Amino acid sequence: GENVEQHPSTLSVQEGDSAVIKCTYSDSASNYFPWYKQELGKGPQLIIDIRSNVGEKKDQRIAVTLNKTAKHFSLHITETQPEDSAVYFCAAKDSSYKLIFGSGTRLLVRP
Amino acid sequence: NAGVTQTPKFQVLKTGQSMTLQCAQDMNHNSMYWYRQDPGMGLRLIYYSASEGTTDKGEVPNGYNVSRLNKREFSLRLESAAPSQTSVYFCASSSAGAATNEKLFFGSGTQLSVL
Repeated sequence: GENVEQHPSTLSVQEGDSAVIKCTYSDSASNYFPWYKQELGKGPQLIIDIRSNVGEKKDQRIAVTLNKTAKHFSLHITETQPEDSAVYFCAAKDSSYKLIFGSGTRLLVRP
Repeated sequence: NAGVTQTPKFQVLKTGQSMTLQCAQDMNHNSMYWYRQDPGMGLRLIYYSASEGTTDKGEVPNGYNVSRLNKREFSLRLESAAPSQTSVYFCASSSAGAATNEKLFFGSGTQLSVL
């Protein structure tokens, strides 16, 4: 089955800097890759997703890139703000159509 | 518009006790899911229901049962709770068909402790 690895587990950046979180997946048939943000005490919330026929997708300060050959995808947050502090999860929808999540990255944006 | 509502928010059980976690969504979604979240392990799928009347096992179904009561409600039952089931449980819903397992809307979670 699909295995999704996520790095780093924790990330601390200065406000205004960029943050990058990386994930690798094992199932070459996976075709859908979402990113979820989880704030303290809340459920995860979808922030951006990408399909395997697209290499990059942007939404304001957030972007996701996908490298199908290397089987990895990344979340890029530019001009980070304190409200970006949260736990971020990547995921991959595998050939059995199940969504497999990474282990999460705790992002801290220092004011 | 409440989205996905889970009850209870917190629960403490003794080993061997049973309980049911309730979940309801008001977005007219066909698909519903139960996940558990453990430190350092992300979210793992327990069971899901692609549409009313169907349920399927996820990654970690042992020790759990589910009921899709109607289109709105999807419950998770622990028949004989074990300490290994201490976790935060999330219910989620999404549209069906090609969008199944995509664009999930999550509830706020149930923190369960089994002593």
